[in-house]
Amino acid sequence: GAVVSQHPSWVICKSGTSVKIECRSLDFQATTMFWYRQFPKQSLMLMATSNEGSKATYEQGVEKDKFLINHASLTLSTLTVTSAHPEDSSFYICSARPLKGGLQPQHFGDGTRLSIL
Amino acid sequence: GESVGLHLPTLSVQEGDNSIINCAYSNSASDYFIWYKQESGKGPQFIIDIRSNMDKRQGQRVTVLLNKTVKHLSLQIAATQPGDSAVYFCAENSEAAGNKLTFGGGTRVLVKP
Repeated sequence: GAVVSQHPSWVICKSGTSVKIECRSLDFQATTMFWYRQFPKQSLMLMATSNEGSKATYEQGVEKDKFLINHASLTLSTLTVTSAHPEDSSFYICSARPLKGGLQPQHFGDGTRLSIL
Repeated sequence: GESVGLHLPTLSVQEGDNSIINCAYSNSASDYFIWYKQESGKGPQFIIDIRSNMDKRQGQRVTVLLNKTVKHLSLQIAATQPGDSAVYFCAENSEAAGNKLTFGGGTRVLVKP
């Protein structure tokens, strides 16, 4: 149980392109999903908290107009990297926290490797 | 503060030996702690968790110890196997902060045959 699917797993595109990444909870509902960025040999850095039916909450230093988040249902959140440039190249990972109450671990997708040429 | 490291310490362990991975967390208000395993090119995989009102929890081949006095967390892996080779992250959760996770810097475990 608690499977999170992330798509695509790998994207290579030209500078200036916008890229959409999907995050789905396959066997549970999640009012809250999270988006992380990870550089090589480093830890995960939280970018934003995605809330179903409301605006995302961005961490300090993360540009909300650059990283658009939509959480249209209890099983789907999307991250769009707008007008991507080489410095946006990174490993983007989403997670989802089950809807049921109490302390629950976040479950992670397998990430999206984004390479901007 | 945030517990983010810019280096990745490595633990080399002989197959069959026990492994101990340590983690110092930063927020005394954290109420829940999780250990994740991350293999190359994949997302973090849940291993075991512990609430702040506990000091020890055991799973299959893994044990997590929590010392709130010194804000220290450890993960013990018994009889380490080649499939345990990965990067291990501790993460602290604060319900008061909206259940956001703060990750430690990670430890790479290399299992030698």
